[in-house]
Amino acid sequence: NAGVTQTPKFQVLKTGQSMTLQCAQDMNHEYMSWYRQDPGMGLRLIHYSVGAGITDQGEVPNGYNVSRSTTEDFPLRLLSAAPSQTSVYFCASSYSTKRVGYNEQFFGPGTRLTVL
Amino acid sequence: GDSVTQMEGPVTLSEEAFLTINCTYTATGYPSLFWYVQYPGEGLQLLLKATKADDKGSNKGFEATYRKETTSFHLEKGSVQVSDSAVYFCALRSGGTSYGKLTFGQGTILTVHP
Repeated sequence: NAGVTQTPKFQVLKTGQSMTLQCAQDMNHEYMSWYRQDPGMGLRLIHYSVGAGITDQGEVPNGYNVSRSTTEDFPLRLLSAAPSQTSVYFCASSYSTKRVGYNEQFFGPGTRLTVL
Repeated sequence: GDSVTQMEGPVTLSEEAFLTINCTYTATGYPSLFWYVQYPGEGLQLLLKATKADDKGSNKGFEATYRKETTSFHLEKGSVQVSDSAVYFCALRSGGTSYGKLTFGQGTILTVHP
């Protein structure tokens, strides 16, 4: 298993540009999520999905869109990049908690995004 | 709402020193508590967890005990190694939270010198 993969590893954008951060998992996990990591603030949830066709907002959703057309993929779209979106972005996945016990979240290696 | 507070870092220790990283939380109901570790250039990995009061999570020599009376989940290790240098995150999942939504602390950078 490749686990959770993210592309690209690094990206530089100009203000106003759009782009899509890719996330894929090969563990057949129902739950997928996107976090951003900023210095001194830990990780904050942007959007999450509990299955194909179902998404919902997290703590900091503004400026980001998501969709979930397949179980494997959960792309994050920046519609019009702003310097405040400079951050490290992590995708994570797990089995649904409808299963017995806690289901560990597996994180991808991250995408470091700089918006100039 | 839910929140997690970790001790300020960075923390710098010599090899074989004792480590404590403090973590306190605010949450409704009976949360599950976690420590995640992030090695340089990598994503987060689950280090240990505790799902109810007085549970002790342990892994790779690290331990943390779920203390409901003090709303704490401090991370400890008796003898750190250079390879333990990483960022450590305390996190919780509220008892009433569906699926896998986690609330993270701000992270503590640990550097261990030979």
